[in-house]
Amino acid sequence: ELKVEQNPLFLSMQEGKNYTIYCNYSTTSDRLYWYRQDPGKSLESLFVLLSNGAVKQEGRLMASLDTKARLSTLHITAAVHDLSATYFCAVDSFPLMDSNYQLIWGAGTKLIIKP
Amino acid sequence: DGGITQSPKYLFRKEGQNVTLSCEQNLNHDAMYWYRQDPGQGLRLIYYSQIVNDFQKGDIAEGYSVSREKKESFPLTVTSAQKNPTAFYLCASSIDSRGLEYGYTFGSGTRLTVV
Repeated sequence: ELKVEQNPLFLSMQEGKNYTIYCNYSTTSDRLYWYRQDPGKSLESLFVLLSNGAVKQEGRLMASLDTKARLSTLHITAAVHDLSATYFCAVDSFPLMDSNYQLIWGAGTKLIIKP
Repeated sequence: DGGITQSPKYLFRKEGQNVTLSCEQNLNHDAMYWYRQDPGQGLRLIYYSQIVNDFQKGDIAEGYSVSREKKESFPLTVTSAQKNPTAFYLCASSIDSRGLEYGYTFGSGTRLTVV
């Protein structure tokens, strides 16, 4: 069974600081996705990581994927208040499930950035 | 613009009543999904459909039903058998179910409350 664990689940930090959110998964997969959710809103796609060693950056956020370690990181540089949100990672179940591909979700990391 | 439209945004259900949540997409996506999100929690899969006229139960299908008569539409009915339906419901779609190159696109969600 594919399991996805995020940590920390809650993070409160000051503006201007750097921090990393971790996403571990239990079995082989080479596709990982990061989403952002603002309170009361839907999910917005941030990054799609499709191969080992993939690194993508958008503004103050950078995501990376190490398929051998079964680990993805979401790094926040010089955090600003606008980045306060809940961040989810999700892993593609392919090829574990023959014809029922779907994303397996982490529990989410609630990030609060204080001015 | 292409996207997923969920309606209504807010829905109130009386005890013992069935209600239907609408999900329509014009992205020409084959696969569609329904998730439930409780406050402060992650996503739990209710049902998913990979092609028209076919759908599969997710982790928490009891008390829910779906149909997929058209590619564009994947309505979710919350039946009276669902004893605790108050939650945020998210519909999503993906280009196909055999390779999630782009991840999921989410609708804006429906917030269901039992009154």
